Amino acid sequence: QVQLQESGPGLVKPSQTLSLTCTVSGGSISSGGYYWSWIRQHPGKGLEWIGYIYYSGSTYYNPSLKSRVTISVDTSKNQFSLKLSSVTAADTAVYYCARDQMGATPDWGQGTLVTVSS
Amino acid sequence: DIQMTQSPSTLSASVGDRVTITCRASQSISSWLAWYQQKPGKAPKLLIYDASSLESGVPSRFSGSGSGTEFTLTISSLQPDDFATYYCQQYNSYSVTFGPGTKVDIK
Repeated sequence: QVQLQESGPGLVKPSQTLSLTCTVSGGSISSGGYYWSWIRQHPGKGLEWIGYIYYSGSTYYNPSLKSRVTISVDTSKNQFSLKLSSVTAADTAVYYCARDQMGATPDWGQGTLVTVSS
Repeated sequence: DIQMTQSPSTLSASVGDRVTITCRASQSISSWLAWYQQKPGKAPKLLIYDASSLESGVPSRFSGSGSGTEFTLTISSLQPDDFATYYCQQYNSYSVTFGPGTKVDIK
């Protein structure tokens, strides 16, 4: 059973870059067949897809965030990462990493709260 | 972008009730739709994928139907563990959008 764990700073200053890493265990990112996703949830609100990456490095992003988002993969560490630049308070959210299989998302990390504040 | 809507936004029901939630897409997504259940402080849990396929381990009281732009999630007999928020998700053409959610609470 694959497990995903988000890690990174819980507090980021406005205008800086939010950086999170997802460590995958119980399965290899480079085995193929899955997309590796980032999804966020603003406090008390719904879910927002940020984007995903294939092990080969192909990426797809939410058009509304595309100009600020970079998702990358490190198959040697079995990790993938999120960078979100020029953050504001509106980027305060719980960030989830997840594994997509044929589009749906059966496997999720526990989520990590990132607060943007000075 | 494909927009998703859900109705109702809140649903009050009792244990044993049959519950139906509707999800609509702004354009056809074929059957590329999933349903999730989320409880407070927890990650979403996949219930249904490809509009009507039941995820492994999910109770059979959950079912999904629809194609194109209109979809439904049905809980045949609501159980105490089912009080939660439910989201639909479309995954068409390397683009993903979630619905705004439907909260199912106790009447």
